[in-house]
Amino acid sequence: GQQLNQSPQSMFIQEGEDVSMNCTSSSIFNTWLWYKQDPGEGPVLLIALYKAGELTSNGRLTAQFGITRKDSFLNISASIPSDVGIYFCAGPGSTGAQKLVFGQGTRLTINP
Amino acid sequence: EADIYQTPRYLVIGTGKKITLECSQTMGHDKMYWYQQDPGMELHLIHYSYGVNSTEKGDLSSESTVSRIRTEHFPLTLESARPSHTSQYLCASSEWGGAGGYTFGSGTRLTVV
Repeated sequence: GQQLNQSPQSMFIQEGEDVSMNCTSSSIFNTWLWYKQDPGEGPVLLIALYKAGELTSNGRLTAQFGITRKDSFLNISASIPSDVGIYFCAGPGSTGAQKLVFGQGTRLTINP
Repeated sequence: EADIYQTPRYLVIGTGKKITLECSQTMGHDKMYWYQQDPGMELHLIHYSYGVNSTEKGDLSSESTVSRIRTEHFPLTLESARPSHTSQYLCASSEWGGAGGYTFGSGTRLTVV
């Protein structure tokens, strides 16, 4: 089945640094979603992308829908302690699919 | 306020006990999902439902069962808990399916001793 590969798997950064992570697939996705999971909680949707090349921001977060439709990127600027958590990319398994395919997650740790 | 609720948040139970994890949503979503997640690890789909009286097994084999008698309620049951069932269980719902994204509950962290 379709798979999403996220990198890096984990990141250890200093507070204030910018963060970049990406998600790739061997097949085309028509929607890209980015979720964040705080420790002990369920994932929360951060950004949704629906068009190739689309660049969308949510505060300090910016995500892009790759023009090949096989990748997506998430950037966090000027990281703060509450950015700690696991970031998942996700997308519909196929056109009209009722289920999402999730990446393995990128774990972000911030040193104050 | 529309939301999705899971109870209990934490459960420690002995081996062999029967347990039911509750999941309810107030958004009127037809589609609901159960995921199993070990700490800090990937999300594994174990069950899903596209509406009342519809249930399907997910990508990861699970000894648990689910039911969908009402739109808002999607409980998960383990007939005989074992230590290997120790994990976090996340419930989610969706109006539009994959493209619309899911709304997740806060999860139930289950420990079987």
